[in-house]
Amino acid sequence: QVTLKESGPGILQPSQTLSLTCSFSGFSLSTSGMGVGWIRQPSGEGLEWLADIWWDDNKYYNPSLKSRLTISKDTSSNQVFLKITSVDTADTATYYCARSSKWYFDVWGAGTTVTVSS
Amino acid sequence: ENVLTQSPAIMSASPGEKVTMTCRASSSVSSSYLHWYQQKSGASPKLWIYSTSNLASGVPARFSGSGSGTSYSLTISSVEAEDAATYYCQQYSGYPLTFGAGTKLELK
Repeated sequence: QVTLKESGPGILQPSQTLSLTCSFSGFSLSTSGMGVGWIRQPSGEGLEWLADIWWDDNKYYNPSLKSRLTISKDTSSNQVFLKITSVDTADTATYYCARSSKWYFDVWGAGTTVTVSS
Repeated sequence: ENVLTQSPAIMSASPGEKVTMTCRASSSVSSSYLHWYQQKSGASPKLWIYSTSNLASGVPARFSGSGSGTSYSLTISSVEAEDAATYYCQQYSGYPLTFGAGTKLELK
């Protein structure tokens, strides 16, 4: 059974760095063709893709946020990380991680809510 | 960036009615890389239809998907109350991958 679970700080202040962790089970990021992506959703709005990381350590970023994003993985601990620098209120959202195995996100986590507020 | 435009933004249907929602891409998308997700209020999205027309596990057969190039659609042959949700299309044919803004299906 494939599961993913996001964790984050809950609340942080503008200009801080947001650090998110995706802990997963049921698959390995050392397996060819496997990937994990991050997607966010402000309350009441649509989905915005942020970044993907693949089994071969290839990384892809949303160009509109690329300068602020860093995605990484720890294959041995089955975790993927996302850092977003210089957050502001526009980064307030629910953040999801999801598995990507055949160019679609087939399993999603429950999401973690992040609020940026002074 | 391949922009996906979904229409209508909101639609209302009665149980038993046939409904179709569309997803139009600003550039051609290979049918292998156009997917649909269902999201109910307060829940995370679920893969619903992958590669244009393949139903994800557990998706009722009343759902179908079709399309090619820049025009894709999701059809429900006979809407049921449990189908009330927002449906998002997504393309993965090239980075940056993009989502449509969603079609919210409401039941009368």
